[in-house]
Amino acid sequence: QLYLQESGPGLVKPSQTLSLTCTVSGGSLTSNSYYWGWVRQPPGRGLDWIGTLYSGATTYYNPSLQSRVTISADTSKNQFSLKLTSVTAADTAVYYCASGFLPFFWGQGTPVIVSS
Amino acid sequence: QSVLTQPPSASGTPGQRVAISCSGSSSNIGSNTVNWYQQFPGTAPKVLMYSNSQRPSGVPDRFSGSKSGTSASLAISGLQSEDEAHYYCAAWDDSLNGVAFGGGTKVTVL
Repeated sequence: QLYLQESGPGLVKPSQTLSLTCTVSGGSLTSNSYYWGWVRQPPGRGLDWIGTLYSGATTYYNPSLQSRVTISADTSKNQFSLKLTSVTAADTAVYYCASGFLPFFWGQGTPVIVSS
Repeated sequence: QSVLTQPPSASGTPGQRVAISCSGSSSNIGSNTVNWYQQFPGTAPKVLMYSNSQRPSGVPDRFSGSKSGTSASLAISGLQSEDEAHYYCAAWDDSLNGVAFGGGTKVTVL
């Protein structure tokens, strides 16, 4: 059983960078069989895939966000992170980290508001 | 506009059978497996079905999944009040090179 926990600022100013971290317990980030990713959900709307990190090195990003997003891993801390640059109000959402080729284990989610 | 298409809503009375469809294409459902998720307000999604029709431990057997061609379906038999939630389908999309989600279906128990 994997446990994932998101952390990071709940308020980000427009044009700044949103940075979130996901801490993993119950499993290792370095396992060859694990995919790690981020999904977001704007208020009152559905799920939106942001990107996936495979085997700590290969990344897949939503084409609509590709120019602004980076997902990376810190294996020493068993964490992976999300950075989204040049945020606008449209990036306001609950952000979830998850594991799996298709998300299987999910974190509880962390709300992020983009506002000045 | 979601890559996978779900009806926005479905409903039934307690004990009835409700089915939710998820329509895709050859680049997603047609060539990859489907997961289904259940989400209650204010909580994270929970995987209800994986690899089209496999239930994780703890998911009641009144939930079942199937896939045919470029469509998938989630059925709830013996609908209960606690099944009132949003349900989402997901599949890897080879054209997107990423995860495609359906727009979600809100199930209401009348």
